[in-house]
Amino acid sequence: AQSVAQPEDQVNVAEGNPLTVKCTYSVSGNPYLFWYVQYPNRGLQFLLKYITGDNLVKGSYGFEAEFNKSQTSFHLKKPSALVSDSALYFCAVRDIGYSGYALNFGKGTSLLVTP
Amino acid sequence: NAGVTQTPKFQVLKTGQSMTLQCAQDMNHNSMYWYRQDPGMGLRLIYYSASEGTTDKGEVPNGYNVSRLNKREFSLRLESAAPSQTSVYFCASTLAGPSYNEQFFGPGTRLTVL
Repeated sequence: AQSVAQPEDQVNVAEGNPLTVKCTYSVSGNPYLFWYVQYPNRGLQFLLKYITGDNLVKGSYGFEAEFNKSQTSFHLKKPSALVSDSALYFCAVRDIGYSGYALNFGKGTSLLVTP
Repeated sequence: NAGVTQTPKFQVLKTGQSMTLQCAQDMNHNSMYWYRQDPGMGLRLIYYSASEGTTDKGEVPNGYNVSRLNKREFSLRLESAAPSQTSVYFCASTLAGPSYNEQFFGPGTRLTVL
């Protein structure tokens, strides 16, 4: 089965510092990976995706993610964190077990950016 | 464009009651999904509809049924609610295809079963 793991339940960062939210994947075949963000009491919003090509993927709100095949990782990064980045972040992988391009989500990482 | 809309936003049921969660999208997407979100468990797929006229089970289908009413609408029904179905339910849609387009999510329905 295609799956992702987010090893950290919570990440704390000071405003202005770089942030990293970790994700590792386990797939058979090529991975199709996504990052989503969820603000309190809201639905999930798409940040970025890796399908093929460059290992560094740029997305919304200044976020980027680095695909590393040898380490089976897809970590989310931002050079300078903002307090408004505080939210719940989900890594996801396309599950080829389903015909309809469904996603398998990680358990989520809560990011807290302090002033 | 309203995107993906869900009704109701909140619902409290007693054990054994039934209800239907409604979802609609106005983006002409072919695939639609129902997920549930529970603390510490991420989102889990309940059912999905790869295209109009088809529905399939996801990871946690027990206790639920779905209907793809037309291309826009995908409803989720709880026939006899149980406390274990207390959760936040999200509907999502996408234009599924080789470019692996992202899914768009609705705002969610917060369901409590007493």
